[in-house]
Amino acid sequence: GENVEQHPSTLSVQEGDSAVIKCTYSDSASNYFPWYKQELGKRPQLIIDIRSNVGEKKDQRIAVTLNKTAKHFSLHITETQPEDSAVYFCAASKDNYGQNFVFGPGTRLSVLP
Amino acid sequence: SAVISQKPSRDICQRGTSLTIQCQVDSQVTMMFWYRQQPGQSLTLIATANQGSEATYESGFVIDKFPISRPNLTFSTLTVSNLSPEDSSIYLCSVHLRPVEGYEQYFGPGTRLTVT
Repeated sequence: GENVEQHPSTLSVQEGDSAVIKCTYSDSASNYFPWYKQELGKRPQLIIDIRSNVGEKKDQRIAVTLNKTAKHFSLHITETQPEDSAVYFCAASKDNYGQNFVFGPGTRLSVLP
Repeated sequence: SAVISQKPSRDICQRGTSLTIQCQVDSQVTMMFWYRQQPGQSLTLIATANQGSEATYESGFVIDKFPISRPNLTFSTLTVSNLSPEDSSIYLCSVHLRPVEGYEQYFGPGTRLTVT
């Protein structure tokens, strides 16, 4: 089955700096890669996703890149703000039939003022 | 997206009892999922609940411990039976919605269970 690894497990950055979180997956058939942000005590929220037919997607300060050959994808947050502090989870899915998503272990991001 | 609600939001239960968690969605969805999130951990799928069929359980989770009902396309329940302290966790339901292509997954607010 699919296995998703995520690095780093914790990340601290100064406000205004960039943060990068990387994930690798094992199943070459996976073709949908969402990222979730979970603030303390809250539900995971979908923040951005990418499908295998594109290599990069951007939404304001957030971008995701995908390298299908190497089976890894990354989340990039620019101009970080304290409200970006949260746990971020990547996931991988073979989404053609709505199959469940396999989540990475998470990255705790702290943005220091 | 979808509006997903769960009841209760939290509960404290005694060892050996059971807790039933309800999940309500504001639109009809084919697939609903139940996840467990232990403190400081990632999300682990318990089972997939499709209306009109038996739930499908992931490895390590069994129906006797986690019975699920899915009576219609907007509602599901998860029961955690014969509670032990190891069951203390957050339980989340989720649904798949289909935008233009593929599926997107959305989560309910979660139910925080503490077993004493």
